[in-house]
Amino acid sequence: KAGVTQTPRYLIKTRGQQVTLSCSPISGHRSVSWYQQTPGQGLQFLFEYFSETQRNKGNFPGRFSGRQFSNSRSEMNVSTLELGDSALYLCASSLGTGEYNEQFFGPGTRLTVL
Amino acid sequence: KQEVTQIPAALSVPEGENLVLNCSFTDSAIYNLQWFRQDPGKGLTSLLLIQSSQREQTSGRLNASLDKSSGRSTLYIAASQPGDSATYLCAVRGSNDYKLSFGAGTTVTVRA
Repeated sequence: KAGVTQTPRYLIKTRGQQVTLSCSPISGHRSVSWYQQTPGQGLQFLFEYFSETQRNKGNFPGRFSGRQFSNSRSEMNVSTLELGDSALYLCASSLGTGEYNEQFFGPGTRLTVL
Repeated sequence: KQEVTQIPAALSVPEGENLVLNCSFTDSAIYNLQWFRQDPGKGLTSLLLIQSSQREQTSGRLNASLDKSSGRSTLYIAASQPGDSATYLCAVRGSNDYKLSFGAGTTVTVRA
């Protein structure tokens, strides 16, 4: 079974631009979560989608948004990029709910903002 | 707000020694706790998931325990190998907000 895939793997943007990252979950998984990882802040939760609905949201500004499609694939968008948005963005998928909700992570997208 | 702490931040051991990694959390209202491994610049690999009703979980050389009431989990890695060198993270899913909260990780170096 294929794992979680993320595209693109690397991205370089300049301040003020916007970016869209894509995540394809493991087949059959209905939940997709997004995380930002930086050396200073560690891993921080961005949002979680389940069956096309945002189920949970972290403490990030409105410039960060996401969506999930009917095939469970998800995208996240960051508008008006800032230098501080440079990070590894990780996507995770899981079956859905409850105590058995094991998260499986993709390889990440490395975003550099110049 | 759930706070997850991992001590020590870094650990260096000779090959063959057993590893003991600690994770503590402040809110005992959890669904589960998951241990991950991360190699430099890569994504996270799931190692073990312990449900809130379980006390421990085992997979090969790995054993993780959970004491929900005291807010602690320990990951044991038996007979360490150089290939075990990585950063190990624990994450707790709260049963109130359903969010996954991560510790900062313990970076392990196993010397050949």
